[in-house]
Amino acid sequence: DVKVTQSSRYLVKRTGEKVFLECVQDMDHENMFWYRQDPGLGLRLIYFSYDVKMKEKGDIPEGYSVSREKKERFSLILESASTNQTSMYLCASSLWVGGTYGYTFGSGTRLTVV
Amino acid sequence: TQLLEQSPQFLSIQEGENLTVYCNSSSVFSSLQWYRQEPGEGPVLLVTVVTGGEVKKLKRLTFQFGDARKDSSLHITAAQPGDTGLYLCAGRGGQGAQKLVFGQGTRLTINP
Repeated sequence: DVKVTQSSRYLVKRTGEKVFLECVQDMDHENMFWYRQDPGLGLRLIYFSYDVKMKEKGDIPEGYSVSREKKERFSLILESASTNQTSMYLCASSLWVGGTYGYTFGSGTRLTVV
Repeated sequence: TQLLEQSPQFLSIQEGENLTVYCNSSSVFSSLQWYRQEPGEGPVLLVTVVTGGEVKKLKRLTFQFGDARKDSSLHITAAQPGDTGLYLCAGRGGQGAQKLVFGQGTRLTINP
């Protein structure tokens, strides 16, 4: 069974800390994504990567950066955490199948910044 | 910017009732997907529709893609408590577009 694993289910960090969220997929997918999910706003794309060392900004990249040194791993970095970055963070990977991209999501990391 | 609007945002009904959730846009999508998300978990893909007018069935769930590929609906027949969850529609833009645009979700509660 395909899997996307996020390193932490819950995190509590202090304002100003540098925060790393890790995501690993075991499906050899080329595309990986980071979304944040907030009530009433749905999923908003932060960054995505379509190949190793490649990255593109999504809709809300401010305050975030990403790293993809290996195909299976995509990291989201909060350079200096702020309280408005308290959210559920979801990692996903995708593969072209059946005429479209099928997404597999991780279980999410609920981050609280205090 | 492509947007997807889901309605209703919240729906609470009794077990055995039927319901329909709508996903609308002014933009054309090359395909549209529906996901279900349970508390504490990531969304799980239910279905993908790619052809205008396409209808797909998954047990008691019926998914339809609008003829113009701008909207979709999810109909549940004889809802069960196990159908409770957050339902998300997501659209893919033009050919080659790797990103999905998500609706804000419909939180469905089925009461026993």
